[in-house]
Amino acid sequence: EAEVAQSPRYKITEKSQAVAFWCDPISGHATLYWYRQILGQGPELLVQFQDESVVDDSQLPKDRFSAERLKGVDSTLKIQPAELGDSAMYLCASSLAYRQETQYFGPGTRLLVL
Amino acid sequence: KQEVTQIPAALSVPEGENLVLNCSFTDSAIYNLQWFRQDPGKGLTSLLLIQSSQREQTSGRLNASLDKSSGRSTLYIAASQPGDSATYLCALRSSTDKLIFGTGTRLQVFP
Repeated sequence: EAEVAQSPRYKITEKSQAVAFWCDPISGHATLYWYRQILGQGPELLVQFQDESVVDDSQLPKDRFSAERLKGVDSTLKIQPAELGDSAMYLCASSLAYRQETQYFGPGTRLLVL
Repeated sequence: KQEVTQIPAALSVPEGENLVLNCSFTDSAIYNLQWFRQDPGKGLTSLLLIQSSQREQTSGRLNASLDKSSGRSTLYIAASQPGDSATYLCALRSSTDKLIFGTGTRLQVFP
């Protein structure tokens, strides 16, 4: 069964360093999402792509976060510089089409900023 | 602004019990509602998706209902098992395709 792949699974970094997360959605899925999940809370959308275009990045802290999906397939989320409050699980999800389709989630990348 | 609340925040039950998890939302203008399961330190697994025009969906021992007019959804788990122990999240899809999650119910089923 096809799955959403994410790497790394775990990342420990010091504040002010740069970190990057990678996501490979299920083949053929046009829509890709990055979520941040703080411990004990539900995931919160950071950015949504439709193919290579950003559809929604209203909750992305653009002073330090960036995301790209250059060829409309895999995607990278970057944080520079990392802050203590960025410690969280970063989840990637994909769906076949826009709206009314279930989203399939990857295993996530757990980030700890020291 | 849509707000999604899940009650209870945590639940511990003996094996075999039937149980109900609740999800309430403030804005009934939704496209669908989805229930997810999340095991500790893992990603989310979709359990059930209810379109806004539907009232309920069933999968095995799980049944989810949706009442848009009252802003409520329930997830019913029949004959609970220790393997059902996880966090259960409900999520609403808004008109902008954004999924808005509740904070989850952490379920523990003990033998």
